[in-house]
Amino acid sequence: SAVISQKPSRDICQRGTSLTIQCQVDSQVTMMFWYRQQPGQSLTLIATANQGSEATYESGFVIDKFPISRPNLTFSTLTVSNMSPEDSSIYLCSVEGGLTWGGYTFGSGTRLTVV
Amino acid sequence: QKEVEQNSGPLSVPEGAIASLNCTYSDRGSQSFFWYRQYSGKSPELIMFIYSNGDKEDGRFTAQLNKASQYVSLLIRDSQPSDSATYLCAVSITGGNKLVFGAGTILRVKS
Repeated sequence: SAVISQKPSRDICQRGTSLTIQCQVDSQVTMMFWYRQQPGQSLTLIATANQGSEATYESGFVIDKFPISRPNLTFSTLTVSNMSPEDSSIYLCSVEGGLTWGGYTFGSGTRLTVV
Repeated sequence: QKEVEQNSGPLSVPEGAIASLNCTYSDRGSQSFFWYRQYSGKSPELIMFIYSNGDKEDGRFTAQLNKASQYVSLLIRDSQPSDSATYLCAVSITGGNKLVFGAGTILRVKS
């Protein structure tokens, strides 16, 4: 399965600022997925990032708040913009494992606290 | 709205017993089903996936899928305290690669 390096692992940010989260995959993947996990909750998909095209956002998430870059097949960033305490969550990137393996692999997550 | 439902628990079982975790889903066209384990403060870890009706076994874990009834379950045999975690059921959405996650079931294995 793919190995994903995600950073930062955690951060404490002031409200109104922005944080960019990076995910690096050890193999080329077509799609990368960004999830949010709010405290005590399950995972909610924010957007799907394809290389060379605009990310596809899920209902309730907008590009101005969560801009995503996907410059190549092994890397993506998610920015959380103009943060408020409600953005305090764990943010995770994920990739599909491939036909021979199946399943989706997650990065180690970024624990964001907005104060 | 595609939904995946799980009993939040906690489900408490004694060490050595079988833990049974259940999940139902609303999208009848879903083809792929996954069970993830998540320890507190950690990211989800895939433990089983199943595509076909019936049972799939891997070590102490057995995934069961019944598409007609739209449920998928996970059995953990010989439960160990290290199995204590939140178990997330995830289902692929028809026609896409996206996963929808259930809220998770907290499992506690008591020694």
